[in-house]
Amino acid sequence: DAGVIQSPRHEVTEMGQEVTLRCKPISGHNSLFWYRQTMMRGLELLIYFNNNVPIDDSGMPEDRFSAKMPNASFSTLKIQPSEPRDSAVYFCASSPSNDEQFFGPGTRLTVL
Amino acid sequence: GENVEQHPSTLSVQEGDSAVIKCTYSDSASNYFPWYKQELGKGPQLIIDIRSNVGEKKDQRIAVTLNKTAKHFSLHITETQPEDSAVYFCAASMWSGFQKLVFGTGTRLLVSP
Repeated sequence: DAGVIQSPRHEVTEMGQEVTLRCKPISGHNSLFWYRQTMMRGLELLIYFNNNVPIDDSGMPEDRFSAKMPNASFSTLKIQPSEPRDSAVYFCASSPSNDEQFFGPGTRLTVL
Repeated sequence: GENVEQHPSTLSVQEGDSAVIKCTYSDSASNYFPWYKQELGKGPQLIIDIRSNVGEKKDQRIAVTLNKTAKHFSLHITETQPEDSAVYFCAASMWSGFQKLVFGTGTRLLVSP
């Protein structure tokens, strides 16, 4: 299995621009998570999907952040407009059973 | 909500020595405690986990212990090897329809040959 796939691996953008991060979970996994990792705040859960439905979005920082999962094999995390404080590594993870979470390689986002 | 503290933030050992990383949690309702290893440029990977009905679990050179009364759990790595060098994260979770993991701040382990 290829594991969780994320794209792009690196993204550099300017403040105010829209950013879209993409994730392909492991086939057969029905749970998908988006996390953000920063030096200051560590690893934080942003949103959790189960069977393509958003279940818990309490970690989404503000309305500038949105996430979708149109089907079982694809999810996006969008930031619009982006700000320098959004700079972080964003991870997508999937799980078959809601226990072990399999993380992707992450997208390193830099907002100038 | 849950709060997880992790110590130490960095740990340097010689190859062959043991390494111990400790975590404490605040919510007594938490019942699932995984440990993740993150290598440079990669996502975290689960290495071992323990549930609140078990006091200790071993898997080859790694073991985890849990003290529910004191609300702390620890990761033990024996016979460390240079490839064990990475950042280790503990996490705590209470089932609320899913495992909502709250992570510790991480421990950077460096194993010197």
